[in-house]
Amino acid sequence: DTAVSQTPKYLVTQMGNDKSIKCEQNLGHDTMYWYKQDSKKFLKIMFSYNNKELIINETVPNRFSPKSPDKAHLNLHINSLELGDSAVYFCASSQGDRGPLSNYGYTFGSGTRLTVV
Amino acid sequence: GDSVTQMEGPVTLSEEAFLTINCTYTATGYPSLFWYVQYPGEGLQLLLKATKADDKGSNKGFEATYRKETTSFHLEKGSVQVSDSAVYFCALSGHNDYKLSFGAGTTVTVRA
Repeated sequence: DTAVSQTPKYLVTQMGNDKSIKCEQNLGHDTMYWYKQDSKKFLKIMFSYNNKELIINETVPNRFSPKSPDKAHLNLHINSLELGDSAVYFCASSQGDRGPLSNYGYTFGSGTRLTVV
Repeated sequence: GDSVTQMEGPVTLSEEAFLTINCTYTATGYPSLFWYVQYPGEGLQLLLKATKADDKGSNKGFEATYRKETTSFHLEKGSVQVSDSAVYFCALSGHNDYKLSFGAGTTVTVRA
């Protein structure tokens, strides 16, 4: 059983399109995240939800909108895609309600490689 | 804010060589420290962690010791294998923080 699963694994789309990436975790974790990894492998946090509540919202264009229908799911919708959005997007989850990362760290999905042409 | 600096790669080694990847951090309070590994085409996996000063994390022959006095968490392995070829990330989180701050990653290639 995959702990954190993302779909699709690969996504090729044209500039200006709208697309969504889905993430589901079956670990019973309270918190989920979206990270963006650029071509140099640098990881930057985008959003985080704890029990369906947005708790981290970094400086990300408004074209990116996360949605968490329940604590096991965190989807990422991107409007009006641009060339610079091409990257690998990782979903992750973690357990805990205070100091949650101190002992547990994250469990990552395998990533979605988005290519905008 | 909290941040992590790790040595730049790429690092290329022969099999059975000794590997060290330096990592230093800047944080208020007492963060938890992590090493993650990313194999080609995969997501990140937790390699090891340490939650307080002088703790040593270890896994798969890798070790790292939380050194508060030097604010460091260097990763070491005594004898690398080709299968250790990957990107290694140092990361930290504050005591009450939901966010992991990652270093820039170090690409390691081990030649047979």
